[in-house]
Amino acid sequence: IAGITQAPTSQILAAGRRMTLRCTQDMRHNAMYWYRQDLGLGLRLIHYSNTAGTTGKGEVPDGYSVSRANTDDFPLTLASAVPSQTSVYFCASRPTSGSSNEQFFGPGTRLTVL
Amino acid sequence: GQNIDQPTEMTATEGAIVQINCTYQTSGFNGLFWYQQHAGEAPTFLSYNVLDGLEEKGRFSSFLSRSKGYSYLLLKELQMKDSASYLCAVMDSNYQLIWGAGTKLIIKP
Repeated sequence: IAGITQAPTSQILAAGRRMTLRCTQDMRHNAMYWYRQDLGLGLRLIHYSNTAGTTGKGEVPDGYSVSRANTDDFPLTLASAVPSQTSVYFCASRPTSGSSNEQFFGPGTRLTVL
Repeated sequence: GQNIDQPTEMTATEGAIVQINCTYQTSGFNGLFWYQQHAGEAPTFLSYNVLDGLEEKGRFSSFLSRSKGYSYLLLKELQMKDSASYLCAVMDSNYQLIWGAGTKLIIKP
């Protein structure tokens, strides 16, 4: 693994189903983020984690949950998917030591809820 | 509230220069970022400004004025591969990024 990976690449899901989007990084970054990107809107923060064992809510957290059991993994769960959750989901990570505040992005998951 | 404004779309000619502007109002400031995003791909980092002035990196330069809440990304010697969306983002006092909606840049031959 080099950088950040996300799985699946794309998914079509029936409304009401539960879905977990996976995110794994091998850069030992402490901070991790989940965003959704919709046409005409900027990236919107769903949830974040500043370090393993802690999580926080972003701008649009409703309907989503996260966990951060270790440094590398940051899964995002949709408990009961709704059509408004159709979007492209990006996971990102950031080192919290040193001067760089750059966020590194995974390739994204394209999710369609019918 | 927090707000990042940038033009929705711009068109330029191959070989020319284009400037993409970004204005912002945020709670706290820990730097301004520019990212490039090709269609169907993830954003990739272009530049980071935390102090006023111009940062040059090859064909791309980024400028920041904190007192005016203003930044621009300057792209020189445009190439067809520069056709992409350019995202402006500000890191707020909680070290979280606030994103603009992006500027779609169309390069014509």
